Parts: sequence; C-alpha cells; structure tokens
Amino acid sequence: GIQVEQSPPDLILQEGANSTLRCNFSDSVNNLQWFHQNPWGQLINLFYIPSGTKQNGRLSATTVATERYSLLYISSSQTTDSGVYFCAAAQGSTLTFGKGTMLLVSP
Amino acid sequence: NAGVTQTPKFQVLKTGQSMTLQCAQDMNHEYMSWYRQDPGMGLRLIHYSVGAGITDQGEVPNGYNVSRSTTEDFPLRLLSAAPSQTSVYFCASSTQSHGQGIYEQYFGPGTRLTVT
Repeated sequence: GIQVEQSPPDLILQEGANSTLRCNFSDSVNNLQWFHQNPWGQLINLFYIPSGTKQNGRLSATTVATERYSLLYISSSQTTDSGVYFCAAAQGSTLTFGKGTMLLVSP
Repeated sequence: NAGVTQTPKFQVLKTGQSMTLQCAQDMNHEYMSWYRQDPGMGLRLIHYSVGAGITDQGEVPNGYNVSRSTTEDFPLRLLSAAPSQTSVYFCASSTQSHGQGIYEQYFGPGTRLTVT
C-alpha cells in the first residue's frame, strides 16, 4: 500500500514564529487531508487538498500531486496551535496516515 | 446535525471479554471506517464499508468484526479482548465516488479502550 512520511517528527516554536510541515507520499492519490489533533485527542479537519493551494486564516496548504508531496504552513504561531498534525492520503477506498508532526508552541 | 458520534467515550475490559463500539453518522455518507491510534503509530485502518451490506478489511483487521446493516451505523465488535487491543478507536465517514474513491473524511471523538 501507499507510504506516507511526515517531517519533522517534532517541532518546538516560540509564539509568533512561522513553520512548514511536509508530507511525502509514495504513489498517486485521489485525496490528501491535513488534520490537527488537539491535546484532548480530537481530530480536527484542516484541509482537504488533493492538489493546489488553500488558505484558512494563518494556515495554508499546498499539494503538488505530480511530485507526491504536500506542505502545511503555519504563520504567526499561537500556543493553541500545539498538538499533533497528521496528513493522510487516500488511494481508492483506503486512507493512510503519516505518523504525525508533534508541535509545541511556547509563549 | 451531530456529525459522527461514538459511544462509549471510555471503556475498561478484562482479557477475554467482548464488547461493541458504536459509531453513527447523520450525514448520509456511504463510506464509513474504523481506525485505531497507538502512541507513535499514527492512525491505522481496521475495517471499512463502502455502503450498507459491504465491508472490507484494512491494515489491522485481526481481532475485530464489523457489519453494516444501515447507512447510519457501523459498529465495531471485539469478540475476545486482548491487552494488545488497548488503544484509542476512531470512526470516520465520508462521501465517495465509485470511480474516484473517497472524499473528505470526518472523524468522531474517539473511544479510549483499556484491556487489562
């Protein structure tokens, strides 16, 4: 099946800093999503982005499907951005998750 | 519109006991799935269903049974719980295209299961 790799595995930022999270996938996909798992364990949909670029406030994402990667940008980070960020890629009827990037934003 | 709901939120079982984790969605989604999340492993697909009466195995199906008798419900059954099944379980649903695959997945709040 498809392999999904995320980098970096851990990231520590000062509040106000910017960051880029990367997601590589090993094969063509029909769906790419980014999620934020908050400290209470809830999975929050950030972006559904099989290709192209989307923005939502301080967050944006870009997927280059032909090169098999996606990027999540977080600008002006806040302490509430802390948690684990997952990307997940779908082939047909199955969705495969990466192992996540754990982000800690300190005040 | 409640989205995807899961019950219970927490459960403790003894080895060998059986139980059913419930999942329901009110978005009329054809596709539903179950994942487990273990520390450092991300989420792994257990079973999925592309419609009522149709189920299939994911990456880690052993020890789990599913059925899909209605569009709304997709229960996950543990027939004989083992400590290795201690995990957080998430249910998800989405629309799908039979030619293009599944679309944006929506997740429930999870069930934290401990098997002693």
